[in-house]
Amino acid sequence: EVQLLQSGAEMKKPGDSLRISCKVSGYSFTAYWITWVRQMPGQGLEWMGRIDPSDSYTNYGPSFQGHVTFSVDKSINTAFLQWGSLKASDTAVYYCARLVRDGRADYWGQGALVTVSS
Amino acid sequence: EIVLTQSPGTLSLSPGETATLSCRASQSVTSSYVAWYQQKSGQAPRLLIFGASTRATGIPDRFRGSGSGTDFTLTISRLEPEDFAVYYCQEYYSLPITFGQGTRLEIK
Repeated sequence: EVQLLQSGAEMKKPGDSLRISCKVSGYSFTAYWITWVRQMPGQGLEWMGRIDPSDSYTNYGPSFQGHVTFSVDKSINTAFLQWGSLKASDTAVYYCARLVRDGRADYWGQGALVTVSS
Repeated sequence: EIVLTQSPGTLSLSPGETATLSCRASQSVTSSYVAWYQQKSGQAPRLLIFGASTRATGIPDRFRGSGSGTDFTLTISRLEPEDFAVYYCQEYYSLPITFGQGTRLEIK
C-alpha cells in the first residue's frame, strides 16, 4: 500500500528555521517525483514545486524559489521541505504528494500544519 | 503561467441532483494534462480525474471529466452526501503547474 506520512504540526517564530518531512512506503521512492503543495488558511492549493528523488533535481514555483528548499534522503525514503527563515505568511498546511510520470499527483500525505507567530 | 479560472465559486445543490463544474484556462491546455481533485474539510486532496476524462482508481462513474482546449468540465451525477466538498482543477504539463481557485459544492 502506497503511503506518504508527513511529520507533525509545528509552531515556530518568525525568523526560525524549519524542516518538515514526508516518509514514503509501498513503492520505490526513486521511481516517482515528489511534489509539495501549500494551502494557506481558508485558501486554495498552490504548487510549490517538485523534486526527483533519484537525482534531487528540482523545479520550484516562482512564488517559492529562493524561500524554500526541497531535499531527499534516499536511505530512509524521505523527502524534506525546508525554510531558512520563516515568515508569518508561511502559516499554512503543507502537503507532499507522489507524482506519476505524466505529472499528476496520485497519492497525498495527510498534510502538516505550520504556524508561524511571534 | 497558465491561469485556471473555476466557476461557479460555490454551487448549492441537493443530493440526487447533477453538478456541473467549469474550469477555464487562460491559454490552450494539452488535454492529457488536466486533472480534477476533491478535497473534503480537514483532509488532503484526492485525485478524481486525470487526462481530462480518465477516472482515477476507485472513483465511481458518477464522476465524469470532459473538455479540451481552454474549457474543461467536471460533471457529478446523482450527488451523494459524501460528494459535497471543494473541487480543484489542475494543469500539470507546463511549469509552473497551476490549480484553479476551487469550487465549493455545498448541500442546498
